[in-house]
Amino acid sequence: QVQLQESGPGLVKPSETLSLTCAVSGYSISSGYYWGWIRQPPGKGLEWIGSIYHSGSTYYNPSLKSRVTISVDTSKNQFSLKLSSVTAADTAVYYCARFHYDVLTGPGYMDVWGKGTTVTVSS
Amino acid sequence: DIVMTQSPDSLAVSLGERATINCKSSQSVLYSSNNNNYLAWYQQKPGQPPKMLIYWASTRESGVPDRFSGSGSGTDFTLTISSLQAADVAVYYCQQYYSTPYSFGQGTKLEIK
Repeated sequence: QVQLQESGPGLVKPSETLSLTCAVSGYSISSGYYWGWIRQPPGKGLEWIGSIYHSGSTYYNPSLKSRVTISVDTSKNQFSLKLSSVTAADTAVYYCARFHYDVLTGPGYMDVWGKGTTVTVSS
Repeated sequence: DIVMTQSPDSLAVSLGERATINCKSSQSVLYSSNNNNYLAWYQQKPGQPPKMLIYWASTRESGVPDRFSGSGSGTDFTLTISSLQAADVAVYYCQQYYSTPYSFGQGTKLEIK
């Protein structure tokens, strides 16, 4: 059974960098699929942040691209998110997820999700 | 960017009755080369992550009860719950994965009448 677990600081100061890691168990990242991040501000909807393949190929949301880096560590079977220059608008629950891959369009729907981790941006 | 719009924003249905949620995309999510609609539905209960229900607009994820069904093509899609159960109270989201940035509808809150 594939499981994903997010970890990282729950509080980040404005202008600093948010860093989260997603540990994958029950499946080897190197075996396939894309992996990535989605966030949900309090009381609001879902926003796709970006996705990565084990080779390092990435897709990012253009609205966040200048501030986002997603990386993968196959030796630890985990992937990470860095979001720089954060503001209060980045306060959200951050989910990691496994993305079904489609040869025509790239990462697609998300079939396995982590439980999510709450990140608050505040001084 | 493709904008996804759901209707209604909230819905109250009696137990055992049918619930219908609509999702409209600002452009077609049907890929002509494979005739697939790049549209998924998720269920999110309070305090939980979203759960995949349906992909390719009408394919039910393994383990999802058959009272959940998806239909539609191109720009107009529907999620139907044929006989509402108490466990179905949740917020439902549609998502397009036709092109980046992948986008979600604003969500439809489903309650018991």
